[in-house]
Amino acid sequence: SQQGEEDPQALSIQEGENATMNCSYKTSINNLQWYRQNSGRGLVHLILIRSNEREKHSGRLRVTLDTSKKSSSLLITASRAADTASYFCATDQGGYQKVTFGTGTKLQVIP
Amino acid sequence: GAVVSQHPSRVICKSGTSVKIECRSLDFQATTMFWYRQFPKKSLMLMATSNEGSKATYEQGVEKDKFLINHASLTLSTLTVTSAHPEDSSFYICSASRGSLNTEAFFGQGTRLTVV
Repeated sequence: SQQGEEDPQALSIQEGENATMNCSYKTSINNLQWYRQNSGRGLVHLILIRSNEREKHSGRLRVTLDTSKKSSSLLITASRAADTASYFCATDQGGYQKVTFGTGTKLQVIP
Repeated sequence: GAVVSQHPSRVICKSGTSVKIECRSLDFQATTMFWYRQFPKKSLMLMATSNEGSKATYEQGVEKDKFLINHASLTLSTLTVTSAHPEDSSFYICSASRGSLNTEAFFGQGTRLTVV
């Protein structure tokens, strides 16, 4: 079964607002990654956070990781219409980057 | 970042025929690659782990005779959907990494397979 559950499943916001997506997982991990997928397209890697890290930033993205709660969040600040996509968290349990994907959050940013 | 190339990006085939999808790591060697399948509006499900020079490891519920995987070199893995049926229509995507624990996995751009 899938490792991660994401919340919310769908999110619709106005351009300029912040978007927060959450991911929960079940077992211990080495790292957690966030990916973006535009409709019908491949995956774009956004950010990787290691299990010993608690927060990481990349541009307008902020990722947090709470290993005690087995959860992570992705915050996109000052959203743009181009941020409209599905966002997935992915976790690995070690070795060779065999990642398991969460259920995904479909984000719509309204211009 | 590293590049993983997947080909073809789209393919339409008739029921009963076989389709081969290629996954190449263009600028690094990948002893292990992974194949995923994505149903419409769903997440990605791991199908199998492709190991260079040895047999692939399939996830539970994935038919190995249906989805043949060959990892003939350190830069190429292929997935062949044999005797395809309309229910095999899906988005297939591969990934590869350099193999160390805390590095990202790089994904191909995916293949949209439609079986008619």
